Amino acid sequence: DVKVTQSSRYLVKRTGEKVFLECVQDMDHENMFWYRQDPGLGLRLIYFSYDVKMKEKGDIPEGYSVSREKKERFSLILESASTNQTSMYLCASSPLTGPQRNEQFFGPGTRLTVL
Amino acid sequence: GENVEQHPSTLSVQEGDSAVIKCTYSDSASNYFPWYKQELGKRPQLIIDIRSNVGEKKDQRIAVTLNKTAKHFSLHITETQPEDSAVYFCAVGLGNEKLTFGTGTRLTIIP
Repeated sequence: DVKVTQSSRYLVKRTGEKVFLECVQDMDHENMFWYRQDPGLGLRLIYFSYDVKMKEKGDIPEGYSVSREKKERFSLILESASTNQTSMYLCASSPLTGPQRNEQFFGPGTRLTVL
Repeated sequence: GENVEQHPSTLSVQEGDSAVIKCTYSDSASNYFPWYKQELGKRPQLIIDIRSNVGEKKDQRIAVTLNKTAKHFSLHITETQPEDSAVYFCAVGLGNEKLTFGTGTRLTIIP
């Protein structure tokens, strides 16, 4: 059973702080993704990664960076948090091959509030 | 990039009736069309998907139809039950594993 975990369910930070959101998957998936979810806007892709040390910008990368040093771990970094980054952040992973190719498995989400 | 539109944004149906949610997309090369269900407070989960070489796929009470010429696809839920109440997202993919999601439909089943 695929398991995707995120480091925190709820997080409260101050404007200007550096914020790290961690995601770990245990199914040896090649692909990992970071989304933010806002009411009425659906899931918007921030960054994704096809392999260790590889990353590509999604649709809304501004204000974010990512790190993938190990295959199972994908980190989202807010260099200087701002109030407009208050949101639900979802991590996902998917395999590159096999019958579940393309299927994205999501983590439980991190509700980030920036004050 | 890909543009996905999803309608309606909210939908209420009587228990036992059918529900239909529609999505349109812009990139004719797209070839993967999944639907995700997100129950309140939970993570999105895949419920059904279809690839561009198939026009329709069914799994018990849910089905997805694809019209590549018109660039739209739909989710059909028959004999709706209270546990079908959730937010449903369509998505579109093109080979490289990245998905573009629609904005979601909040489905409410009225007992």
